[in-house]
Amino acid sequence: DQQVKQNSPSLSVQEGRISILNCDYTNSMFDYFLWYKKYPAEGPTFLISISSIKDKNEDGRFTVFLNKSAKHLSLHIVPSQPGDSAVYFCAAISGGSNYKLTFGKGTLLTVNP
Amino acid sequence: NAGVTQTPKFQVLKTGQSMTLQCAQDMNHNSMYWYRQDPGMGLRLIYYSASEGTTDKGEVPNGYNVSRLNKREFSLRLESAAPSQTSVYFCASGWAVSNQPQHFGDGTRLSIL
Repeated sequence: DQQVKQNSPSLSVQEGRISILNCDYTNSMFDYFLWYKKYPAEGPTFLISISSIKDKNEDGRFTVFLNKSAKHLSLHIVPSQPGDSAVYFCAAISGGSNYKLTFGKGTLLTVNP
Repeated sequence: NAGVTQTPKFQVLKTGQSMTLQCAQDMNHNSMYWYRQDPGMGLRLIYYSASEGTTDKGEVPNGYNVSRLNKREFSLRLESAAPSQTSVYFCASGWAVSNQPQHFGDGTRLSIL
């Protein structure tokens, strides 16, 4: 049973436009959500997070939105740059689970010049 | 500024051989984690150590053992490697606090023939 779902395996956008990556979850006990970015042959690196008590968190070009009633979050990248091309993982954490991360399968973002 | 260091980066084993993957972190984190990443599967937790001296199973622990040698080091052992364990293995460390992200190493690519 997949608790964190990223239903789009890939996304392609033009440089300068907005990239929107989506994530759905099923476990109501998740209290924190994170986005990680991964380049080939490297480990995932933390990008941005949001607490379940917030509905938006912004950091430069990156904004994460959380809709708790729909159990849905999204990552917006504006404007998109070619260096943003990577796999993006949505992850969720529950304090009651010893802070273990549950990951989605990832979305490959390609930003075309 | 090493962060999380994994050795080796690559390894090829024959079925039935044993192997220990090493992980060390220099951020004084309490918790350490081992994940595996398979194509189309995202990252799945194998074992974790919430603090020095403790270890617990994650989502996919079968065929693996771990040792939390000290606060810095957390090793993953394959006693009798199987082709199904061909994967990329990531070690991570963190403070086990929801708003503090886990930090990942660059992975070990393991192939079992």
